[in-house]
This record gives sequence, C-alpha cells and structure tokens, in this order.
Amino acid sequence: GAVVSQHPSRVICKSGTSVKIECRSLDFQATTMFWYRQFPKQSLMLMATSNEGSKATYEQGVEKDKFLINHASLTLSTLTVTSAHPEDSSFYICSAPGGLGQETQYFGPGTRLLVL
Amino acid sequence: AQTVTQSQPEMSVQEAETVTLSCTYDTSESNYYLFWYKQPPSRQMILVIRQEAYKQQNATENRFSVNFQKAAKSFSLKISDSQLGDTAMYFCAFWTTWGTYKYIFGTGTRLKVLA
Repeated sequence: GAVVSQHPSRVICKSGTSVKIECRSLDFQATTMFWYRQFPKQSLMLMATSNEGSKATYEQGVEKDKFLINHASLTLSTLTVTSAHPEDSSFYICSAPGGLGQETQYFGPGTRLLVL
Repeated sequence: AQTVTQSQPEMSVQEAETVTLSCTYDTSESNYYLFWYKQPPSRQMILVIRQEAYKQQNATENRFSVNFQKAAKSFSLKISDSQLGDTAMYFCAFWTTWGTYKYIFGTGTRLKVLA
C-alpha cells in the first residue's frame, strides 16, 4: 500500500526558533498533500493544502507567514513553523491522496512539536 | 456545505463482543466517498474501510463492516469479535469528487476494548 513518512517524529525547540517538518510519499507521487494539526483528544484540523509547483492553499485562520509550506517535488512537502511559540506546540500530521480517483488519503505518522 | 457528525464521544466493549459506531453526514452531492479511519495510541491514522456512495452493497473488511444508508445519510461501523488492538480513536470522514479534495472529518469516537 501507499506509504507516507514524516520527519522528525518528535522535536523540542526553544521559543523563537524555526522548525521544519518533512512529509514524503515513499512509493507514489503526490501533486497534492495536506497538513493537519491535532490537539489532544480532538479531531484533525486541516491547516493547508500543499500543491506541487504552486502556492499552498491555507484554511481560514491559519497564518501563512507563520506556517510556511513548500512542495518542492512530487514526493516531498515541507512545513516550517517560523518563530515558534509555546502555543504552536501540537501534533502535526501530513497526508497524501492516492487511489484511482485520489479519494483515499494516506497519512504520515505525525510529528510532535514541543516549544519551550 | 458538508458536515460529518459522530454523536458518541466514547464507547467501550468487551473483548470478543460486537460494537457499532455511528456516523451521520449531510451533503447535497450524489457522488462521494465515506471512510472510517482508526487512530491508535501511536497516533498513526490507519484506513479501516471505505464506501463509495454509488455502490449499494455495504463494504466489509474482515471483522469490520459498514451499514451505509444513503437516504438517511448514515454510515455506521460495526466491529465484530472486538480485540484489544481495536482500542483507538475512530474518525468518520467524507470526500466528494467535486471541490478541493479535502476530507471532512467527524469529531471522533474513542473506543476502548475491555479484557
């Protein structure tokens, strides 16, 4: 089946620093990838849609200057949390659509970010 | 706009028993897909089962089956012979062929399988 990886799985950083999270589709190409944020015991909240070769589409209320997304190739999307603050601490998940009609999303294992 | 509702925040079931998780949705589309995803304590999202709306036959995957009622906009998940490894958060999701290819997720049901 389709596999999506994420790196790193956990990261701890100091307030004010930037953190980059990578999302890779390992055995298929993905012109679109999705980035989610998940708070404890809650559902996934879509942050943005990453588009290969073009700008990402951000959901309402998500700061595009704070959460920079780059879809550099058909297998790699990155999310950079700039000038991270403790309130950015969360679990970040990426996904890539597959299947015949791109209807099934395959999820990465997630990245736990802790900002001190 | 499409919405997905999971009305059971938490459920528990005895090992080897059967449990049904509820999901209702709202849409004006006629062609769409519905999914159940499982998120165990590892937090990796795992596809459990999917249903294409134009298919009347209910999808099954081993111990997992759905009861898809299109007219009622209901999509429940039945887990038979529950196992301890089924303990997880379960999310119902909706996807349509029209629009932005985004999933609409429900709020989730936390299922605990008791030994």
